[in-house]
Amino acid sequence: DTAVSQTPKYLVTQMGNDKSIKCEQNLGHDTMYWYKQDSKKFLKIMFSYNNKELIINETVPNRFSPKSPDKAHLNLHINSLELGDSAVYFCASSPPGNHYYGYTFGSGTRLTVV
Amino acid sequence: DQQVKQNSPSLSVQEGRISILNCDYTNSMFDYFLWYKKYPAEGPTFLISISSIKDKNEDGRFTVFLNKSAKHLSLHIVPSQPGDSAVYFCAASSYNTNAGKSTFGDGTTLTVKP
Repeated sequence: DTAVSQTPKYLVTQMGNDKSIKCEQNLGHDTMYWYKQDSKKFLKIMFSYNNKELIINETVPNRFSPKSPDKAHLNLHINSLELGDSAVYFCASSPPGNHYYGYTFGSGTRLTVV
Repeated sequence: DQQVKQNSPSLSVQEGRISILNCDYTNSMFDYFLWYKKYPAEGPTFLISISSIKDKNEDGRFTVFLNKSAKHLSLHIVPSQPGDSAVYFCAASSYNTNAGKSTFGDGTTLTVKP
């Protein structure tokens, strides 16, 4: 029973297209995140939601729009895809006190823009 | 400005020996430090953490050491096993700021040879 699930696992699309990545967690956590791992393997936070409310919005192009319909779901929509958007996108969730107990990550979505 | 750095991109050790992975940080506001392990095509998995009021935390074969004055932490794995071969990320967060955001290093690939 997957704790944090992301779909799709792989996504290949052309420049200029719009795409969405979905994330769901069944852990009852209040906080969810989107992280981007670029070609240098560096994991960088993009967004964080706490109980459907946006609490972290890093300097991400406004072509990226997160949506949290409820605290178990955090989706990522990307408009007008660019080559530089190619990366692995990880969804994660955490309980209160995540500083000590860490995040639970999904298995990632590998986005390739051609 | 990369606040968490793992200066060794890779490490190779013999099975049964000790693996030592290092991490340096620059932000003195960080007060929780975590290690994650990541296998290919999977998301990072939380391994062990330490708060800044401690200098050592142990969990089975894994021990994390924190040197606050040097802004340095390390993960020791003893004895190393082939199944430990993975990418290891260190991460840091601040309890009072950043809304629970963890800042990650760029990872060290550990290879344990049989």
